[in-house]
Amino acid sequence: DTGVSQNPRHKITKRGQNVTFRCDPISEHNRLYWYRQTLGQGPEFLTYFQNEAQLEKSRLLSDRFSAERPKGSFSTLEIQRTEQGDSAMYLCALGGQGRYYGYTFGSGTRLTVV
Amino acid sequence: SQQGEEDPQALSIQEGENATMNCSYKTSINNLQWYRQNSGRGLVHLILIRSNEREKHSGRLRVTLDTSKKSSSLLITASRAADTASYFCATVSIFSGGYQKVTFGTGTKLQVIP
Repeated sequence: DTGVSQNPRHKITKRGQNVTFRCDPISEHNRLYWYRQTLGQGPEFLTYFQNEAQLEKSRLLSDRFSAERPKGSFSTLEIQRTEQGDSAMYLCALGGQGRYYGYTFGSGTRLTVV
Repeated sequence: SQQGEEDPQALSIQEGENATMNCSYKTSINNLQWYRQNSGRGLVHLILIRSNEREKHSGRLRVTLDTSKKSSSLLITASRAADTASYFCATVSIFSGGYQKVTFGTGTKLQVIP
């Protein structure tokens, strides 16, 4: 139990289909991040929520990507018209209060676009 | 984009030996963190060092930070087979409004041979 649940764990989809991932914090956290990680690389920032407000988005987040965090609790990340280059691990992370804290990561959703 | 460069990219040692990983970064930071990732899993926070600190210990972990050289190192002493994983440094910069930008390095893959 990492403190944050991500579903599904694995998703295989055909190119052109839409997919949605979900991140559920077990306890209340103001700060929520989405990252993407490809094989052999470190996580790359996608977007940041402070409560329900999406405050930062990476240039990596093309118009095919959208993220929401209604009510400031769980979050969803949707990819429309998936491409093979979208194949990656999508990680959700929670931040704590104050200036100095570690981040709690979920186990991720591994997306394979065929 | 990833700010941190880590070296070595891969490291293989015998159980009981020490493992040292290095991380270099480019911009000013508030703190630097190290994470561990087992294959196919999320990241686990190991240790945080503030920008005004030079060294920190936690169990078998020792982290150093040299802000003048923009570099950090992680030392794992008396390594165990269970330490086999990928290790990532993450730099944290804080912006107005409390947004914390977290940027990960490329990672070091550590193999500890029993």
